[in-house]
Amino acid sequence: AQRVTQPEKLLSVFKGAPVELKCNYSYSGSPELFWYVQYSRQRLQLLLRHISRESIKGFTADLNKGETSFHLKKPFAQEEDSAMYYCALLTGPGGYQKVTFGTGTKLQVIP
Amino acid sequence: EAQVTQNPRYLITVTGKKLTVTCSQNMNHEYMSWYRQDPGLGLRQIYYSMNVEVTDKGDVPEGYKVSRKEKRNFPLILESPSPNQTSLYFCASRLIGRGLATGELFFGEGSRLTVL
Repeated sequence: AQRVTQPEKLLSVFKGAPVELKCNYSYSGSPELFWYVQYSRQRLQLLLRHISRESIKGFTADLNKGETSFHLKKPFAQEEDSAMYYCALLTGPGGYQKVTFGTGTKLQVIP
Repeated sequence: EAQVTQNPRYLITVTGKKLTVTCSQNMNHEYMSWYRQDPGLGLRQIYYSMNVEVTDKGDVPEGYKVSRKEKRNFPLILESPSPNQTSLYFCASRLIGRGLATGELFFGEGSRLTVL
């Protein structure tokens, strides 16, 4: 069965410090990985996905199939990055897809 | 504007009083899903639907029902709510498929339910 693990419930960093939010997954097939972000009192929204290979708001994430990881990184944290971050795994063929979320990591950027 | 709309946004009810949380999307998405969000537990899927009249259980379906009579609507029904169903509920939709044009989930703003 597929699983997504985000080991940190809370990550506190100082403004300007590097950020790394960890995500590990278990799935034997070909995964699609996503990072969703939820700012305070707002709906969840897509931050980035591995197949687009984009940098959004300074964040990047690389899929490492050997380590089954999809860690989210940013070189210099900003106060507006404070939010809840969820890693998600999309598995299965067209008619049987499933999205599995991790338990989330709250990022707190200290001014 | 493309969006997922949930109602009500806030609801306080009592144990056993049936309630329905509506969800509607205007993006012609085949897939719709309900999640509950609880502190320390993240997002857990309740039910999902791959298309009209096609629904299936997620990870935590007990105490909930859904229906998908129209493509745009996917209501969540609590026939006899209990206090352990106090939570923040999110509806989401997406196009089915893999690749850049599909896969992304679009979420509603959430419905905060309190069962006394």
